[in-house]
Amino acid sequence: NAGVTQTPKFQVLKTGQSMTLQCAQDMNHNSMYWYRQDPGMGLRLIYYSASEGTTDKGEVPNGYNVSRLNKREFSLRLESAAPSQTSVYFCASSGSFVADTQYFGPGTRLTVL
Amino acid sequence: AQTVTQSQPEMSVQEAETVTLSCTYDTSESDYYLFWYKQPPSRQMILVIRQEAYKQQNATENRFSVNFQKAAKSFSLKISDSQLGDAAMYFCAYRSARGGSEKLVFGKGTKLTVNP
Repeated sequence: NAGVTQTPKFQVLKTGQSMTLQCAQDMNHNSMYWYRQDPGMGLRLIYYSASEGTTDKGEVPNGYNVSRLNKREFSLRLESAAPSQTSVYFCASSGSFVADTQYFGPGTRLTVL
Repeated sequence: AQTVTQSQPEMSVQEAETVTLSCTYDTSESDYYLFWYKQPPSRQMILVIRQEAYKQQNATENRFSVNFQKAAKSFSLKISDSQLGDAAMYFCAYRSARGGSEKLVFGKGTKLTVNP
């Protein structure tokens, strides 16, 4: 069971470069999320998609865009990377109901120089 | 806004002993969900246990149990018979039951060391 997968696992960018983080889930979940984790902090929500075709901002959306490509895939794009975006990025998915647990991918460690 | 506080940045326990990790939260809502996630060095966030606020009975999952005190807004995790594989960061998280409240609110985590 793959669950939630993310690519790449590691990435180094220079300031101003762009990149897209990919996320896919095989659990037939409707909702998907992107979080970032910074040292000494818990995870903070960047964007989420409650269902295919919808996306909404979370707590820290500035500097990011997202695309819900289909029910399985939810990508996160950094158009012009900044050192403040150095972080570990997690994708998660859950069913449609608020009671449903969120399941996380393995994370992507991104460094912006 | 809801907040989650984990007051113990680090804890240690001897193998086979019991340890309790603390979590408090602040909310004005009456219906919500609470979670403990484990993050080993592999970085993977793994669900350990969850608790529904409307349930008075404390959740248990094998060696893991919680002490949920709704009035005190406290949600501690007890790990019994600690094993070396329990060493990890542990995060307490809150989620509102209100529709449209999608995010999990996380504490800053507690690093658990298990000594052989």
